[in-house]
Amino acid sequence: AQSVTQPDIHITVSEGASLELRCNYSYGATPYLFWYVQSPGQGLQLLLKYFSGDTLVQGIKGFEAEFKRSQSSFNLRKPSVHWSDAAEYFCAVGDPTSGTYKYIFGTGTRLKVLA
Amino acid sequence: GAGVSQSPSNKVTEKGKDVELRCDPISGHTALYWYRQSLGQGLEFLIYFQGNSAPDKSGLPSDRFSAERTGGSVSTLTIQRTQQEDSAVYLCASSPERGRNQPQHFGDGTRLSIL
Repeated sequence: AQSVTQPDIHITVSEGASLELRCNYSYGATPYLFWYVQSPGQGLQLLLKYFSGDTLVQGIKGFEAEFKRSQSSFNLRKPSVHWSDAAEYFCAVGDPTSGTYKYIFGTGTRLKVLA
Repeated sequence: GAGVSQSPSNKVTEKGKDVELRCDPISGHTALYWYRQSLGQGLEFLIYFQGNSAPDKSGLPSDRFSAERTGGSVSTLTIQRTQQEDSAVYLCASSPERGRNQPQHFGDGTRLSIL
């Protein structure tokens, strides 16, 4: 069965520092991969997605993620964090062979940004 | 509309009452999904609609939960005889088509509290 692991429940970084949020998945083939961000009281906003092709994908708000097949990982990165990036981040996988295309989500990583 | 709209944004009800949660997807989106986000957990898939039919109901936790979609647009998630463990944020998502490279777009959710 598919699964998604986000090993870090909480991460705290200083404003201007670099950021890397980890995501590992378990799936037999290459899934569709997504990162979403959720601000308090709001829904999920798509940051970036990977379907195929170039393994380094660029997203909104200066985020990028790299798909590494050998490590079954899809880590999210940002070179310089802004205070407004404080939120919860979710990694998700979709099964491109399924009939429903439902997502499996990780449990999320809550990011705190210090001024 | 411009985005996925969910109502109400908050709902407080007594244990044992029935509740209805509404989702209005992005215009033209044929695929619609319901997820549940419980405190401290990730998002849990509930049900998927393609048009008015629900080919995947595998995530509905019990027979107290049901959902329908009419006119290929608005969907209603109904929870009968609510229990305290039903307290969660219920998120709706839509996408243009099933099985294509189209990410899901999420609403802001309905926060359900069972007293």
